[in-house]
Amino acid sequence: GESVGLHLPTLSVQEGDNSIINCAYSNSASDYFIWYKQESGKGPQFIIDIRSNMDKRQGQRVTVLLNKTVKHLSLQIAATQPGDSAVYFCAENIGGYGNKLVFGAGTILRVKS
Amino acid sequence: EPEVTQTPSHQVTQMGQEVILRCVPISNHLYFYWYRQILGQKVEFLVSFYNNEISEKSEIFDDQFSVERPDGSNFTLKIRSTKLEDSAMYFCASSDGGSNYGYTFGSGTRLTVV
Repeated sequence: GESVGLHLPTLSVQEGDNSIINCAYSNSASDYFIWYKQESGKGPQFIIDIRSNMDKRQGQRVTVLLNKTVKHLSLQIAATQPGDSAVYFCAENIGGYGNKLVFGAGTILRVKS
Repeated sequence: EPEVTQTPSHQVTQMGQEVILRCVPISNHLYFYWYRQILGQKVEFLVSFYNNEISEKSEIFDDQFSVERPDGSNFTLKIRSTKLEDSAMYFCASSDGGSNYGYTFGSGTRLTVV
């Protein structure tokens, strides 16, 4: 079946440190992955995405790594800031354009000043 | 930056009443979705809509739910007879279906059934 899960429900980091949030997915047919940030009372906010034909993609302070061999996705946040505190979800898309996203359970990131 | 707009932000309704949640997707997007998130849980897919018809729906989307695109800009979710367990955040999303998929979520409507 289809499922996306996260290894760590809560991650606490010191301001300025790098954060790594992990996600395991089970459907090898997934062709597109997105990381979302969700702050309290708000909708998921797009952070970065990656297609299945890529292993790595970099954005501003964020990097997504995709390991299709072990069906693993990670989000790296460089120099974590207090404003990065939120819940982070990975989501996978199966089957191409217009299809639904399947979300993981979420990881709470707490940044300590 | 284009955004998906949802109204109202918070809706309180009595059990058994009908509610309509409204969304204005991004204007050039072709695919529309409703997702829901029960407090403290993950975001769950409800339904997708393309070319004026439902393209996929989940087990959650039973006969009590319906969606409609009444005009060229609005996309609505109707719950005919609300139950306590319908209390959740409901998110509308749209995508362009293009090479970058372009999923964008609205800020959500918090539905409280009492």
